[in-house]
Amino acid sequence: NAGVTQTPKFQVLKTGQSMTLQCAQDMNHNSMYWYRQDPGMGLRLIYYSASEGTTDKGEVPNGYNVSRLNKREFSLRLESAAPSQTSVYFCAIKGARLNTEAFFGQGTRLTVV
Amino acid sequence: AQTVTQSQPEMSVQEAETVTLSCTYDTSESDYYLFWYKQPPSRQMILVIRQEAYKQQNATENRFSVNFQKAAKSFSLKISDSQLGDAAMYFCASSGTYKYIFGTGTRLKVLA
Repeated sequence: NAGVTQTPKFQVLKTGQSMTLQCAQDMNHNSMYWYRQDPGMGLRLIYYSASEGTTDKGEVPNGYNVSRLNKREFSLRLESAAPSQTSVYFCAIKGARLNTEAFFGQGTRLTVV
Repeated sequence: AQTVTQSQPEMSVQEAETVTLSCTYDTSESDYYLFWYKQPPSRQMILVIRQEAYKQQNATENRFSVNFQKAAKSFSLKISDSQLGDAAMYFCASSGTYKYIFGTGTRLKVLA
């Protein structure tokens, strides 16, 4: 079982380019999340999806869009990348009950030059 | 609003000693859970311990225990008999109905 699969693992973009980070799960969990991790800033929530067909803004949504394509997949799009979006991005999933732990993908290291 | 604050960017502990990592939180949710996660250099996120807000008894998992003070909105992690393998980033997290919010993390160094 892969759990949570993120693609790509690494990416270098030029300022102004666009790209989509993909996340897929095989655990049948309803909730999916996108975070960015920066030194000294911890994990900050970008967007989340409580269920198929719904998405909501997190703490730092500016400059990003998301799509919950189906229950398995949740993508994050950067329309016009900026150097400030250089970060490590994590996708996570969680079950419906409050006490369930979150399961994370392996992360995507994105550099915008 | 849901926030999680970790005020210690870095902590050090001698091997076999005990260390406590601090976390405070705020939430408007009536029911919620609190978690501690460990992130080693591999970037993998590993659940260490969880605590239900309605339970007064502090959670314990082997060498890891929490001190949950609901009125003070405090949720600290105590690591006993520290081992070299405990060296990592530790994140406190709050889980509400939908949102899952993390703190800024504490880097723990274990000295041999």
